[in-house]
Amino acid sequence: GAGVSQSPRYKVAKRGQDVALRCDPISGHVSLFWYQQALGQGPEFLTYFQNEAQLDKSGLPSDRFFAERPEGSVSTLKIQRTQQEDSAVYLCASSLASVTGSGNTIYFGEGSWLTVV
Amino acid sequence: EDQVTQSPEALRLQEGESSSLNCSYTVSGLRGLFWYRQDPGKGPEFLFTLYSAGEEKEKERLKATLTKKESFLHITAPKPEDSATYLCAVRANDMRFGAGTRLTVKP
Repeated sequence: GAGVSQSPRYKVAKRGQDVALRCDPISGHVSLFWYQQALGQGPEFLTYFQNEAQLDKSGLPSDRFFAERPEGSVSTLKIQRTQQEDSAVYLCASSLASVTGSGNTIYFGEGSWLTVV
Repeated sequence: EDQVTQSPEALRLQEGESSSLNCSYTVSGLRGLFWYRQDPGKGPEFLFTLYSAGEEKEKERLKATLTKKESFLHITAPKPEDSATYLCAVRANDMRFGAGTRLTVKP
């Protein structure tokens, strides 16, 4: 597709429920990022993939959060046993080349809005 | 630790009233400073990348500048459609964002 696509756009989960958020990056983009954005705040880094390899997961807030990108394209962010503090917008982004290169603009999707009740 | 601080948190302007947004940063090994625009309910939209002190980029009513410690986003004669949150991000080992400046332009 032309841009980064995320689904679902909106998700309401009951506390304790597992959720899975999907990201389709721009075709051919090597790098994929997940960010969490709370209301009124800037995006906070969660994790980064280069192709299928998860090179940095230092931003994942707890072991309830898990991300995968098994074939180096589509990625899924899974949150187990959701808590109210997990309510946020989850943004996926991709860039053409690796994070260490120059000229690597990161393009964002519209986000998945998660509300835990 | 890498840090990005944006000011002011919110800015209200009259249409045509020029102003500047600030992004101060501390980072080891800067590989780029990015400006994004974010509208409510949308993902951040890329505006500019700056790589070295003294660099400037322009797009319509926006101009971004970079020094060794901060970047400015200058808005000349803004229009109501420029109302949005403007995010600054620095790229070193990852991409770290500031909290943003929420700009409102009144007609």
